[in-house]
Amino acid sequence: DADVTQTPRNRITKTGKRIMLECSQTKGHDRMYWYRQDPGLGLRLIYYSFDVKDINKGEISDGYSVSRQAQAKFSLSLESAIPNQTALYFCATSDLKTGGKLFFGSGTQLSVL
Amino acid sequence: GDSVTQMEGPVTLSEEAFLTINCTYTATGYPSLFWYVQYPGEGLQLLLKATKADDKGSNKGFEATYRKETTSFHLEKGSVQVSDSAVYFCALIKSIAGGTSYGKLTFGQGTILTVHP
Repeated sequence: DADVTQTPRNRITKTGKRIMLECSQTKGHDRMYWYRQDPGLGLRLIYYSFDVKDINKGEISDGYSVSRQAQAKFSLSLESAIPNQTALYFCATSDLKTGGKLFFGSGTQLSVL
Repeated sequence: GDSVTQMEGPVTLSEEAFLTINCTYTATGYPSLFWYVQYPGEGLQLLLKATKADDKGSNKGFEATYRKETTSFHLEKGSVQVSDSAVYFCALIKSIAGGTSYGKLTFGQGTILTVHP
């Protein structure tokens, strides 16, 4: 089983709908991240959390919100989806012992029509 | 702020050719540098890393040397295989809190590599 699991793997939705992407991990890491990947732009950080009570905005947080329900769970919400939020979304985890190395899930491909 | 710039792609090579993917960075202090690889349909995985100047990271025949004087971390492989076809990302992270913790990873834009038989 994957250490970092993202659900769903694919999602098609319409403009204005609320969407939640979920991430769970069995690695025991305290740090979790949400990135989005767009062609030619690499990965950009949306939100990150260094522990359950710590939530921080990344470079492109507008239009997104997150919830850290437990050490192992970190969900990303789009309150009112728009077409330019069509992208591949990745969750990642780390902790102090990983020396900066991140462990990624397999991604969620989101399409907003 | 911190940034990473990779050579523009895509890169197309024949099997057994020599590979170089350029990466330069802008950051204050002493970042750690990484190369991540993304195979089709998968998430990113760490390929190699270097944590201080002149360190060489290596894995699976790939190498990269941390050059502080040129702020570069170029990825090289002497003989590529079809199975190396993937997207390669250069990234940096800085230590915070006196070196006892790490901030967030900053990625370059990625370079698509295609290797033909």
